[in-house]
Amino acid sequence: GAVVSQHPSRVICKSGTSVKIECRSLDFQATTMFWYRQFPKQSLMLMATSNEGSKATYEQGVEKDKFLINHASLTLSTLTVTSAHPEDSSFYICSARDHLAGVGEQYFGPGTRLTVT
Amino acid sequence: GESVGLHLPTLSVQEGDNSIINCAYSNSASDYFIWYKQESGKGPQFIIDIRSNMDKRQGQRVTVLLNKTVKHLSLQIAATQPGDSAVYFCAETPYNFNKFYFGSGTKLNVKP
Repeated sequence: GAVVSQHPSRVICKSGTSVKIECRSLDFQATTMFWYRQFPKQSLMLMATSNEGSKATYEQGVEKDKFLINHASLTLSTLTVTSAHPEDSSFYICSARDHLAGVGEQYFGPGTRLTVT
Repeated sequence: GESVGLHLPTLSVQEGDNSIINCAYSNSASDYFIWYKQESGKGPQFIIDIRSNMDKRQGQRVTVLLNKTVKHLSLQIAATQPGDSAVYFCAETPYNFNKFYFGSGTKLNVKP
C-alpha cells in the first residue's frame, strides 16, 4: 500500500517550452501533496505544499508563476514548469500524505528527471 | 525555511559493522523527525521516525536517537549490509506536519 507514482520518469525539453509532471497516489487519498526539487548530490528542497481544492503554498524564493501546481483531486497533483530554462534541470519529487494517517508520514514518488536543453 | 544539517557528508563502513549517521536541526519547535534512505535516481524511502516526546526508537536493525537539548538526531544501523549503501536524509516537521524540511544528506558506502 501507500504507493505514489510520477509521470514521466524522465523528460527532455527545449528551452522556452513548458513541461507537466503528474503525481498520483495510487491506493490512498492524499489531501496534501508536496513538491520537492533536488539538484545533483544535494538535498531535497521543498518547493510548495499542495492541498486538494485550494491554491498551493509556495516556499520563499519559488516562483509560483513559473511552477504551476494544480491539485484537482485527492489522488492527483500536477507541477507545470513554464518557460523552462536549463537551470530548471533537476530531479523533481512529489510526496503525498495520507489524510487518514495519524502521523505526518509522507510517501514519496520515484521522481522525475527534467533536462532542459 | 527551517535549517536541518548533517555533520558528515560521506561515511564509509565495512560490511557487518555498525553505522552512525548524524543530523543537527535548528528549530526547537520541531515535533516529528524522520530518517529517509534514497538510492540513486529514486525517491526517498521511509526508514524510521520519532516524535519529540521520545529520545529513542528502535526498528529492524535501525535505531533513532533524539537529543532535544542539543537538537541532534542520529540513525544507527546495525550490521550494515551492502544494500544499505545509499544517501540518508533526516527530515523534520513542526507540530502541524504541514512542511517537511530535509537535511543535506550523508552518503553511506558499505565496503564488502
